[in-house]
Amino acid sequence: AQTVTQSQPEMSVQEAETVTLSCTYDTSENNYYLFWYKQPPSRQMILVIRQEAYKQQNATENRFSVNFQKAAKSFSLKISDSQLGDTAMYFCAFITNSGGSNYKLTFGKGTLLTVNP
Amino acid sequence: ETGVTQSPTHLIKTRGQQVTLRCSSQSGHNTVSWYQQALGQGPQFIFQYYREEENGRGNFPPRFSGLQFPNYSSELNVNALELDDSALYLCASSFLNRGNTGELFFGEGSRLTVL
Repeated sequence: AQTVTQSQPEMSVQEAETVTLSCTYDTSENNYYLFWYKQPPSRQMILVIRQEAYKQQNATENRFSVNFQKAAKSFSLKISDSQLGDTAMYFCAFITNSGGSNYKLTFGKGTLLTVNP
Repeated sequence: ETGVTQSPTHLIKTRGQQVTLRCSSQSGHNTVSWYQQALGQGPQFIFQYYREEENGRGNFPPRFSGLQFPNYSSELNVNALELDDSALYLCASSFLNRGNTGELFFGEGSRLTVL
């Protein structure tokens, strides 16, 4: 079974500080992609960052970076210089490419991040 | 390019009724997926359509069905509604091609309440 576990249902951080959201996953596939999605109160899910499993280098997008540990099946998200607009539900997810036929995203239950002024 | 749009944004139904939710894919995308997001949970995969055919299905009963049209827009139909069907239904489009990352682009969702 393919699963994603986010062990922190809620987190809070002060504006301008750094916060790390944790995620572990389980899959028997070797070729997959990992994502962090953000869902603000307006509901639309938007992509924050993605990581190809075959790449050892951790992905970085401006203030967002990941710590990808393939052997441990761990994929944490670090947000630096937190801003009020980062307040949202954050979902960790992965997608496998089984011969290119099925792109089902498996999501965790999410972490509600609140950035305090 | 236009994004993914869904309609209606909110609707209320009663048990036993049927509902149709609609989704317009992002321009250039050939695949649409539907997800159910219960309150406080992560989205759960319902099914995916590629070139007007179902291309994968999650653990949902047959009363959940879908269609994809030649213009790649899509419908999600749910028959015999149950209280547990109350959720946010998300549509996501993508361009399915061997070797790509399968990144999904989501709509804002349709909030269904079943009374």
